[in-house]
Amino acid sequence: NAGVIQTPRHKVTGKGQEATLWCEPISGHSAVFWYRQTIVQGLEFLTYFRNQAPIDDSGMPKERFSAQMPNQSHSTLKIQSTQPQDSAVYLCASSLDGGNTQYFGPGTRLLVL
Amino acid sequence: GDSVTQTEGQVTVSESKSLIINCTYSATSIGYPNLFWYVRYPGEGLQLLLKVITAGQKGSSRGFEATYNKEATSFHLQKASVQESDSAVYYCALGYGNEKITFGAGTKLTIKP
Repeated sequence: NAGVIQTPRHKVTGKGQEATLWCEPISGHSAVFWYRQTIVQGLEFLTYFRNQAPIDDSGMPKERFSAQMPNQSHSTLKIQSTQPQDSAVYLCASSLDGGNTQYFGPGTRLLVL
Repeated sequence: GDSVTQTEGQVTVSESKSLIINCTYSATSIGYPNLFWYVRYPGEGLQLLLKVITAGQKGSSRGFEATYNKEATSFHLQKASVQESDSAVYYCALGYGNEKITFGAGTKLTIKP
């Protein structure tokens, strides 16, 4: 089992550019979660999907951020017009349906210059 | 909303000495939350150390223990004798069912040889 896969591991973008982050959950897991980690705010929940349907996006910034899960094998987090304050480590996690343990990927470190 | 407080950002303990990392929580949703300790070892991803889903119960893993105290709303992490390999960042967290997790700020543990 490869665990949760996140690509790229590192991404550098210029201010105003778009960034797309990819997550492949553990096979058979039905829930996918996105979190963001910064020095100032710590680990924050962004959004999650269950069986590909969006369930809770209460942590997502209202502008520029969007997430999708087009099939059960991957989810994307897209940030439009990136700003320096978007610099963070973005973590994806997955869990079994009915489970309460989330398994985290290694994260994508995004740096916006 | 829910919140988790870890009072110590950094803790240094000599090898073979005992450890306690404090964690208190505030849960606003109906019912008792599930409580977790996650750990990030140097160079590795975030992983579950232990969890307790029933108030009053104790969880244990790798020599660490934590007891779910609903009266004190606490979930302190303890170990009787630490090893150098325990050096890591430890996160206390809470969640409900298979939904989002709320994390504490983390405690960086350094073990002195």
